[in-house]
Amino acid sequence: DTGVSQNPRHKITKRGQNVTFRCDPISEHNRLYWYRQTLGQGPEFLTYFQNEAQLEKSRLLSDRFSAERPKGSFSTLEIQRTEQGDSAMYLCATPGGQANEKLFFGSGTQLSVL
Amino acid sequence: GESVGLHLPTLSVQEGDNSIINCAYSNSASDYFIWYKQESGKGPQFIIDIRSNMDKRQGQRVTVLLNKTVKHLSLQIAATQPGDSAVYFCAEKETGGFKTIFGAGTRLFVKA
Repeated sequence: DTGVSQNPRHKITKRGQNVTFRCDPISEHNRLYWYRQTLGQGPEFLTYFQNEAQLEKSRLLSDRFSAERPKGSFSTLEIQRTEQGDSAMYLCATPGGQANEKLFFGSGTQLSVL
Repeated sequence: GESVGLHLPTLSVQEGDNSIINCAYSNSASDYFIWYKQESGKGPQFIIDIRSNMDKRQGQRVTVLLNKTVKHLSLQIAATQPGDSAVYFCAEKETGGFKTIFGAGTRLFVKA
């Protein structure tokens, strides 16, 4: 149990549709991260939150992507007008360890855009 | 630019042998390094970490070596077991920074 729950686990959608993923940390964390992982690659940073505030966004996060963390607990990641290139695993993580530098990931949401 | 890479995309070892997975990094400002293990259908899982003021750190059956001179990181797994079959990622971070940067990964196959 990593302490991070993500749903759905799998999402298949048609190109042009909107999708939303949810991340629920089991315990409270100030910081929450979103990463994207394509097949055979390492996770790529997308964005992170400090409480409700979204403090950094990667250039990978186009205008079609929006993330929120309304109460500083769970977070959502929405992709509008999905494209085939959006197909990937979307991972959510919270920090932990002595200096809060380790990342604890959820199992991710696997998105397939047809 | 910043990058963390791996020399070999796949590694196949016999059960019981030792495994060595290598990684090169390029950001001289990184001072914290982590190895993650990712099994199929799961998110990456922390294995072991090391700070730049150390050259070696040992865990249970795993050892991480850091060579700052050549910006090289390695993960050694002793007595490799079938359960060690997974993709291994090295990652780097600057203390106080917010972003962890991952390499491309090495897939480890353990032959029974």
